[in-house]
Amino acid sequence: QSVLTQPPSASGTPGQRATISCSGGSSNIGSNTVNWYQQLPGTAPKLLIYNNNQRPSGVPDRFSGSKSGTSASLAISGLQSEDEAEYYCAAWDDSLNGWVFGGGTKLTVL
Amino acid sequence: QVQLQESGPGLVKPSQTLSLTCTVSGGSVSSGPYYWSWIRQPAGKGLEWIGRIYTSGSTSYNPSLKSRVTISVDTSKNHFSLKLSSVTAADTAVYYCARYSDILTGFRNWGQGTLVTVSS
Repeated sequence: QSVLTQPPSASGTPGQRATISCSGGSSNIGSNTVNWYQQLPGTAPKLLIYNNNQRPSGVPDRFSGSKSGTSASLAISGLQSEDEAEYYCAAWDDSLNGWVFGGGTKLTVL
Repeated sequence: QVQLQESGPGLVKPSQTLSLTCTVSGGSVSSGPYYWSWIRQPAGKGLEWIGRIYTSGSTSYNPSLKSRVTISVDTSKNHFSLKLSSVTAADTAVYYCARYSDILTGFRNWGQGTLVTVSS
């Protein structure tokens, strides 16, 4: 059971917009920033969004993040087949004094 | 660009100690400030943070694993290590090493991961 809660799956057609939610609590998302990771099959996770809504260099601006209270969201606009992957949210947890992750959301581009 | 590479036995017997090393290239484990972490992922499941060691040598562990985990750093070999004792089948997973500079920036650098299977 993951500390952060994500829907197990999401989908969309090419060109559409998809959103993935991440729900936490006061000791993690409520107190700290959220990062998002993209994991393609058989590969290590890749940082997609940091500090709630910042993109590392090289990440397309089709990816955006937001946070409100104890929840966060990842939005992917202009869906492409290459966006099919598992997406994870993460945040530092002050109570656990460590990182906590969501259970992951598998995005399917139909 | 810093690169991380995990290494260690792919098969460990139950009740024994799992030992992995993460070799750092393109940078130094003693430069920073950076936090060097271990994260694992059972097959078909999500990510679990195991713990981290700071550039200064201070450590922090996941409370659920704390009694069995030790993370250390060897600056002479430019690597850091994970030891997980008394393993069971539940510890079978892909183990990743990763680096972050602070909680705002997240894990920017990851190793490719190494599968460790616990089985007799």
